[in-house]
Amino acid sequence: DAGVTQSPTHLIKTRGQQVTLRCSPISGHKSVSWYQQVLGQGPQFIFQYYEKEERGRGNFPDRFSARQFPNYSSELNVNALLLGDSALYLCASRREGTGSQYFGPGTRLTVL
Amino acid sequence: GENVEQHPSTLSVQEGDSAVIKCTYSDSASNYFPWYKQELGKRPQLIIDIRSNVGEKKDQRIAVTLNKTAKHFSLHITETQPEDSAVYFCAASFLTGTASKLTFGTGTRLQVTL
Repeated sequence: DAGVTQSPTHLIKTRGQQVTLRCSPISGHKSVSWYQQVLGQGPQFIFQYYEKEERGRGNFPDRFSARQFPNYSSELNVNALLLGDSALYLCASRREGTGSQYFGPGTRLTVL
Repeated sequence: GENVEQHPSTLSVQEGDSAVIKCTYSDSASNYFPWYKQELGKRPQLIIDIRSNVGEKKDQRIAVTLNKTAKHFSLHITETQPEDSAVYFCAASFLTGTASKLTFGTGTRLQVTL
């Protein structure tokens, strides 16, 4: 079974640009969550989607948005990038009926 | 919202010794408590989790205990090995059928020395 996959692996952008990150959950998992991990800190919750609907939103500005597709894959969009958006962006999927969330390898975003 | 505190921030033990990492949470509604291990440059890896209706869970050298009254939970690693060296994160969540937001602690860097 393939695990959670994310693309791209690394990304370098400049301030003010926009970025789209992609995630494919484990087969059969309908819930996808996005987290931001700044170096030296724990992951911070951004969004959760279940069955294509937003089920939770963390304390992030409206520049952050996401969506989930019919095949349960997901995209995270960040507009008007700031230097402080530089971080590892992690996607996690959860099997229905359990609490277990499994993380993808992440996308390392650097904003210059 | 939920707040999770984790101690210590760094922990150094000799190979073969035990390691204990402690977390406290603030929201009494939280009902699910996973632990993740993150090696440098890698993804967080789920190593063990516990639900609020269980007081203790073991998996080989790893165990987690939960005290709901005190809102504490702890990770115990016995017979530590060099490959246990990593950053460990605790987390708390109020799980429903559709919602599963995890609130993470600040992490513990465990170093196992020979």
